[in-house]
Amino acid sequence: SQQGEEDPQALSIQEGENATMNCSYKTSINNLQWYRQNSGRGLVHLILIRSNEREKHSGRLRVTLDTSKKSSSLLITASRAADTASYFCALPGANNLFFGTGTRLTVIP
Amino acid sequence: EAGVAQSPRYKIIEKRQSVAFWCNPISGHATLYWYQQILGQGPKLLIQFQNNGVVDDSQLPKDRFSAERLKGVDSTLKIQPAKLEDSAVYLCASSLTGASGANVLTFGAGSRLTVL
Repeated sequence: SQQGEEDPQALSIQEGENATMNCSYKTSINNLQWYRQNSGRGLVHLILIRSNEREKHSGRLRVTLDTSKKSSSLLITASRAADTASYFCALPGANNLFFGTGTRLTVIP
Repeated sequence: EAGVAQSPRYKIIEKRQSVAFWCNPISGHATLYWYQQILGQGPKLLIQFQNNGVVDDSQLPKDRFSAERLKGVDSTLKIQPAKLEDSAVYLCASSLTGASGANVLTFGAGSRLTVL
């Protein structure tokens, strides 16, 4: 099993700015997912990127995957106060998903 | 479609008492997961069911935790007796097949347990 490590642990930005968070891992994967968790709520799936993809977009989200560096990044453009949440990368295990400790993003209005 | 339902949302108990959490997954989702999320940490898998069979319970503290998924639909997670360190949010999730096949998990809102 493996667990991703998100960086930074916490990030505070002004509304309208871009936010970038990173996930590093140790063993080879065939896909990687990103989830968001608003305070007091469950996790919500954002995006899945496969190992043969380098970049993927979904609305204001851009995810990159560099399998040679074993890292992924999540970019949120033109951030909004509603983007305030914790963001987790999730790596596949034999049967399930392993989550890192997350990046806590605060967007200041 | 309806989401993953969990109850209760909040529970406060004294240590050594027992507690049970209930989860109803998305209809048709064969795989059900229970995760424990301690404050400030990421979710940690406790147990995974495929239909009504256990796929992985290696991280479940079996001396005090138990879970069942009767008829391959609803699931119950029980803690008896509870310890202070069990204070956490218990998240239930479901997916169509095992997550290793690049499937997406849908989570419930969680059950927050406080053990005093």
